[in-house]
Amino acid sequence: AQSVTQLDSQVPVFEEAPVELRCNYSSSVSVYLFWYVQYPNQGLQLLLKYLSGSTLVKGINGFEAEFNKSQTSFHLRKPSVHISDTAEYFCAVSDQFIRGAQKLVFGQGTRLTINP
Amino acid sequence: SQTIHQWPATLVQPVGSPLSLECTVEGTSNPNLYWYRQAAGRGLQLLFYSVGIGQISSEVPQNLSASRPQDRQFILSSKKLLLSDSGFYLCAGRRRDTEAFFGQGTRLTVV
Repeated sequence: AQSVTQLDSQVPVFEEAPVELRCNYSSSVSVYLFWYVQYPNQGLQLLLKYLSGSTLVKGINGFEAEFNKSQTSFHLRKPSVHISDTAEYFCAVSDQFIRGAQKLVFGQGTRLTINP
Repeated sequence: SQTIHQWPATLVQPVGSPLSLECTVEGTSNPNLYWYRQAAGRGLQLLFYSVGIGQISSEVPQNLSASRPQDRQFILSSKKLLLSDSGFYLCAGRRRDTEAFFGQGTRLTVV
């Protein structure tokens, strides 16, 4: 089974400052990794994904993440944040079993608050 | 593109009443389907998943059930709601080896 730990429940940042949201996972098999963003009372929107290939993944809205297999991490970064980035961010992992349900397991979320 | 329609957006139900939440999928066939619940200030808890018509797996024992009568239809039900069933319910779909896509969610308040 997989598990995900998001190390920070809340991250306050000033506008135009850089930000890093941390995510560590645990799994005994190869995994897929995802970051999703959730705005209040809405569903989840995919920010970026790691399925295979380059470990540095670029997503929407200027976000990027790096898959580090040795440290079992998938931290999310943005060099300069905007007020509109204020939201809840979720890291998620699934196994790669072809015949399995490939269930997505989520972390507890990180609330990113951008202050002017 | 793949889309999930989920309704209603909000629902207030008395304790002991039945529940039926439905989601339908567009833009893809034979997806895996999932029901998640999000309690206030917490992450997403997987409740049920389905890999095909009539195939339902439960992740946690609870007062809810799920059904998949058609390939693109996934229903979450309860015969008698409890206060603890309140939360934000999300339906998700996923083709194998890709990302999941989500509905807009249903805010359920049991009073």
